[in-house]
Amino acid sequence: QITLKESGPTLVKPTQTLTLTCTLSGFSLSTNGVGVGWIRQPPGKALEWLALIYWNDDQRYSPSLNSRLTITKDTSKSQVVLTMTNMDPVDTGTYYCAHGGCSGGRCYNYWGQGTLVTVSS
Amino acid sequence: QSALTQPPSASGSPGQSVIISCTGTSSDVGRYNYVSWYQQHPDKAPKLMIYEVSKRPSGVPDRFSGSKSANTASLTVSGLQAEDEADYYCSSYAGSDNFVVFGGGTKLTVL
Repeated sequence: QITLKESGPTLVKPTQTLTLTCTLSGFSLSTNGVGVGWIRQPPGKALEWLALIYWNDDQRYSPSLNSRLTITKDTSKSQVVLTMTNMDPVDTGTYYCAHGGCSGGRCYNYWGQGTLVTVSS
Repeated sequence: QSALTQPPSASGSPGQSVIISCTGTSSDVGRYNYVSWYQQHPDKAPKLMIYEVSKRPSGVPDRFSGSKSANTASLTVSGLQAEDEADYYCSSYAGSDNFVVFGGGTKLTVL
């Protein structure tokens, strides 16, 4: 059974760096073809794709946030970490990690429950 | 401003069919057969309903179907049921630079 769970701070101050961890279960990030992505959703608004990392460490980023995002993996810990620098109140929202198990990481068939991050001083 | 355009709302009565559109460009929806649809109930994580334009993951009822014509993809929900009331989001692969883009979402109401 594939599950993902996000963890990290619920409150960050403007200009701080956000670090979120996605803990994986039921699959391995060392398996050929596997990818894990991050998607966020401001309160009451649409989903926004952020980043993806593949089993081979290939990374993809949203062009609009590329300069602020870093995605890494620790296969031994079954974790994927997303860092976002220079946080702003507009970055407030629910952050999801998801298993990119279809279409070569271009769609997401298993999602974590999401973690709400509020950016406020 | 989302990259893909969806109608903000759609509705239908139980048993009816409803179609939700998703309009992109020749750089995303029109170029690749990597359109996906997600269902999201309030305060829940999204659920994949359709991928690669018209494929259904295991467990998704065949009342849900997808199609594409030029730069517009569509999700059809047939035989509407109360539990289909949710937000629906489309997404598309947009090439190696933009990778994945989402639509603004459509709130489906079952009357």
